[in-house]
Amino acid sequence: AQSVTQLDSHVSVSEGTPVLLRCNYSSSYSPSLFWYVQHPNKGLQLLLKYTSAATLVKGINGFEAEFKKSETSFHLTKPSAHMSDAAEYFCVVRGPGNRKLIWGLGTSLAVNP
Amino acid sequence: EPEVTQTPSHQVTQMGQEVILRCVPISNHLYFYWYRQILGQKVEFLVSFYNNEISEKSEIFDDQFSVERPDGSNFTLKIRSTKLEDSAMYFCASSEAGSSYEQYFGPGTRLTVT
Repeated sequence: AQSVTQLDSHVSVSEGTPVLLRCNYSSSYSPSLFWYVQHPNKGLQLLLKYTSAATLVKGINGFEAEFKKSETSFHLTKPSAHMSDAAEYFCVVRGPGNRKLIWGLGTSLAVNP
Repeated sequence: EPEVTQTPSHQVTQMGQEVILRCVPISNHLYFYWYRQILGQKVEFLVSFYNNEISEKSEIFDDQFSVERPDGSNFTLKIRSTKLEDSAMYFCASSEAGSSYEQYFGPGTRLTVT
């Protein structure tokens, strides 16, 4: 069975400093992995996805994530945080042949001026 | 840019009442989904729908839930007799057929059962 664990429920950074949101996954298959973002009172927006191509995946708004099979991790990073990055971030996994998305609990990112 | 829309944005209902949550998926998408998020908990898969039938459903999706695509554009989730524990944010999503499987989400309907 597939699952994801987001290691931090809340992360706080200063504007202009790097962002690291951690995610570990569990999958008996080669997984498809995603990061979604949810801004206050908004829907769920896809940031980036990994689907067995390049292990370093670039997404929107300067975010990227690296798939590390040996560590079963898919951490989300950004070199320099902006105030507009403050939101809830979800790590998501889906197994092959299965369209159901399985979600982490989310990490709330706060960006301080 | 095409987007998934949902109505209403907020629905308040009394326990035992029926509610219908509505979604308009992206027009060329063929797969449709409902998820829910109870406050403070994970987003949970409810059901997926393809070719006018349920393709997968979770344990949560019991007999009180049903889905329908009544016309060429709408996709609905009906809860027959609401319970307090049905209070949650309900998200609709859609995706194209094919290998990308990327799901596009609507803004959600907040259901409050009193």
